[in-house]
Amino acid sequence: DIQMTQSPSSLSASVGDRVTITCRASQSISSYLNWYQQKPGKAPKLLIYAASSLQSGVPSRFSGSGSGTDFTLTISSLQPEDFATYYCQQSYSTLGYTFGQGTKLEIK
Amino acid sequence: EVQLLESGGGLVQPGGSLRLSCAASGFTFSSYAMSWVRQAPGKGLEWVSAISGSGGSTYYADSVKGRFTISRDNSKNTLYLQMNSLRAEDTAVYYCAKIYKFSAAGYYYYGMDVWGQGTTVTVSS
Repeated sequence: DIQMTQSPSSLSASVGDRVTITCRASQSISSYLNWYQQKPGKAPKLLIYAASSLQSGVPSRFSGSGSGTDFTLTISSLQPEDFATYYCQQSYSTLGYTFGQGTKLEIK
Repeated sequence: EVQLLESGGGLVQPGGSLRLSCAASGFTFSSYAMSWVRQAPGKGLEWVSAISGSGGSTYYADSVKGRFTISRDNSKNTLYLQMNSLRAEDTAVYYCAKIYKFSAAGYYYYGMDVWGQGTTVTVSS
């Protein structure tokens, strides 16, 4: 099975900050990497697919990069509504679309 | 409007069974693979199972293989998850999600672009 590891597990930042979250796969997954945002009590929301493609309707301050085993999600200028938990997910293996453990982004 | 609505959650004793349903609307249900994802209280997301649009291919996480069965009825636009031999560690919010096939740089990629609101399953005596 492909394991996904995110870092950090939690992060404190201020409105306007630039933030980067990292996701590492246990084997190469090419660009088969998605990013989701989840707010408390709500379903996850797809932000990025194919490692760097922005889902329709997602603000351009969100961006993704990487391929192979190392990926990043960057928020260029944090807005109040961005404080949430972020998950990466691999879609390389249909044997299991595994998620990372999540990164909780909190207000400093 | 594209919508997914889960139902069927509840309290069940260890070893018991439960069937979750996910009613889809606003899109051609049979054209899309679907998935179940769960989230234990205070924990992260865990992919549980997926099924192709026709229902002919199914996939399971090791943690539920042999106990859970995913199925769909395309005539009713409904996805199901039959859960047997339930354990305390199956306690979670269960989400259904639509799997979309994106095209990028000449390749196809899959992502869960629509999610339901979730249904809560509690396994406890």
